[in-house]
Amino acid sequence: EAQVTQNPRYLITVTGKKLTVTCSQNMNHEYMSWYRQDPGLGLRQIYYSMNVEVTDKGDVPEGYKVSRKEKRNFPLILESPSPNQTSLYFCASSFTGTSYEQYFGPGTRLTVT
Amino acid sequence: AQTVTQSQPEMSVQEAETVTLSCTYDTSESDYYLFWYKQPPSRQMILVIRQEAYKQQNATENRFSVNFQKAAKSFSLKISDSQLGDAAMYFCAYRSAFGFGNEKLTFGTGTRLTIIP
Repeated sequence: EAQVTQNPRYLITVTGKKLTVTCSQNMNHEYMSWYRQDPGLGLRQIYYSMNVEVTDKGDVPEGYKVSRKEKRNFPLILESPSPNQTSLYFCASSFTGTSYEQYFGPGTRLTVT
Repeated sequence: AQTVTQSQPEMSVQEAETVTLSCTYDTSESDYYLFWYKQPPSRQMILVIRQEAYKQQNATENRFSVNFQKAAKSFSLKISDSQLGDAAMYFCAYRSAFGFGNEKLTFGTGTRLTIIP
């Protein structure tokens, strides 16, 4: 089954404790992206990757890192989480070319206390 | 930068009736794509319908249709014969046709739709 998976689905952590949210897709997509969803703000892009070893900032990249060492994986790293990073996070992927549908992962609910 | 505005934070409709969700956007580009996504309580983002800006014809998908007014920069979603399973948050989204590798979706703030039995 074609899908985007994220782990963990739920995470409660404390300020400053490094964490990684994994994202994996099995559709051989070149493009992958991370969004965060906050009430009243919709979804905003954090980082994106056009292909292996090619990443760039989105609209809200502060406090986040990413890497793309393999085509299928695109982890989101919070090296020193803060309470303002409490949010719902989505990973998405697609083939390159704007006519292609983006597929979203199931979301990761992160709480930073 | 492009912006997407959904001015109705919440809406409700009686089951089997028709409801229209509004979306406006701002862009200086001539070619782009517009989307409606559904987010049920499961939080999964589900693509409902897609419109390509260069196409005059409004997109339809079963009970879902759009009214795309390019000059007015308006993109409303009509749901006919509303069903209980349509209850969800609905997001309008914009994607440039000139992304140069970034297929970024710009989202509105969402409209929460309630279906009244």
